[in-house]
Formats: sequence, C-alpha cells, structure tokens
Amino acid sequence: DSGVTQTPKHLITATGQRVTLRCSPRSGDLSVYWYQQSLDQGLQFLIQYYNGEERAKGNILERFSAQQFPDLHSELNLSSLELGDSALYFCASTGAADTQYFGPGTRLTVL
Amino acid sequence: GQQVMQIPQYQHVQEGEDFTTYCNSSTTLSNIQWYKQRPGGHPVFLIQLVKSGEVKKQKRLTFQFGEAKKNSSLHITATQTTDVGTYFCAGLPGDTGGFKTIFGAGTRLFVKA
Repeated sequence: DSGVTQTPKHLITATGQRVTLRCSPRSGDLSVYWYQQSLDQGLQFLIQYYNGEERAKGNILERFSAQQFPDLHSELNLSSLELGDSALYFCASTGAADTQYFGPGTRLTVL
Repeated sequence: GQQVMQIPQYQHVQEGEDFTTYCNSSTTLSNIQWYKQRPGGHPVFLIQLVKSGEVKKQKRLTFQFGEAKKNSSLHITATQTTDVGTYFCAGLPGDTGGFKTIFGAGTRLFVKA
C-alpha cells in the first residue's frame, strides 16, 4: 500500500459524458501527478500540481482539467468522453527527490 | 524536447535466464529511478540512482547509472516467474524546470516457466 488513494476503482460511462476522478496523496506530500495508461502502453504524463497550484502540463487534452484543493486532494475532470479515453488513470504523489508513489488507479471504460 | 528512451519494448525469457533493460536520455539526468508494474497493478518504486557510475543491487537485480548520467540499465539474474511485469525507468533532467521526472515507455518482461 503506497498511501495514495484513488476513487473510484472502476468507472463505466458513455461517450459524451463527464466524469471526475479523485486522488488523495500520501500524508505530507504536496505534489500530485496524473497519468494516463492505455492498454499495455506506457505512462502518459497529464498534469502536475504542487500545493494547490498547477506546476506542469503534459499531453493533457483540452477536454480534461484538474485541480488540487487546500486539503491537497486532487480531482481530474474528463468531459465529452470518447471511446479512446478508455484507460487506466493513475495519480502519484512525490516523496523525497521526486520519488513517485502511485495510487491503485481508476479504470475508465467509455462505451 | 527531453526524452527518455527505453529498450527493448518486450522481452520473452525462459525462467532462469538473465534479462536486461536499457534506458537512454537525450539530456543529462540528476537522478534515475526504476519502477515495476505487475500485470493489473500500479507502478511501484524500486530504486533511485544519483551518482555517475553508480551501481546498486537488490538481490537478483542490478541497477547501473552511466558515467555521463545519460543512461541506465536494470539487469535481472536468473529470472523467476515473479519477475513478470513492466519495468519503467524515470529520469529527472539536470536542468530544473516545471516538468520534472520523465518516464520511459517501459519494458514488458514475460517469463516462461
């Protein structure tokens, strides 16, 4: 158990819908990263937040947005969903020297 | 842009054979990290290398960081079925910027009993 929690574990929805994925970092970690992992693919970096502020953006679509709240939990919002958005979404929080501790992931299926 | 390339993409080995995955960066790295993701699981941190030429061992796993701090390797001796999974390297570029650690695409290891 990494100490990072993600909800929900599974999410099934339809094209055109909007969903929100939630992540709580490890106690004391200020930074949260979001990644997308399509079937048998690598980790695609989406976005990073540090202490409530956006720090870096990767390959995040305009239909996707995220935020980090004062209690440091983070939410990833995915809208106008397409079939190709089906993937595992991981969040990670960082410890010493940017070591990343990953949550269990949310598996999103868009039908 | 900054990239971390990892090869091979896949590797099939017989149990007991050795396995190596390689990681190369287009820029000098401050450190390199290795992660393992079991099938159906999430990436788990294995180790971090910081010094030029550093070598670290964890039981049957040997990690190396190149002299120029641009490449790294993970070698597994006498693979076991429990080694199955995807191994990712992740490099922290030497020049600090907004985006930090860059992940390689991963090497997926299959071990046949």
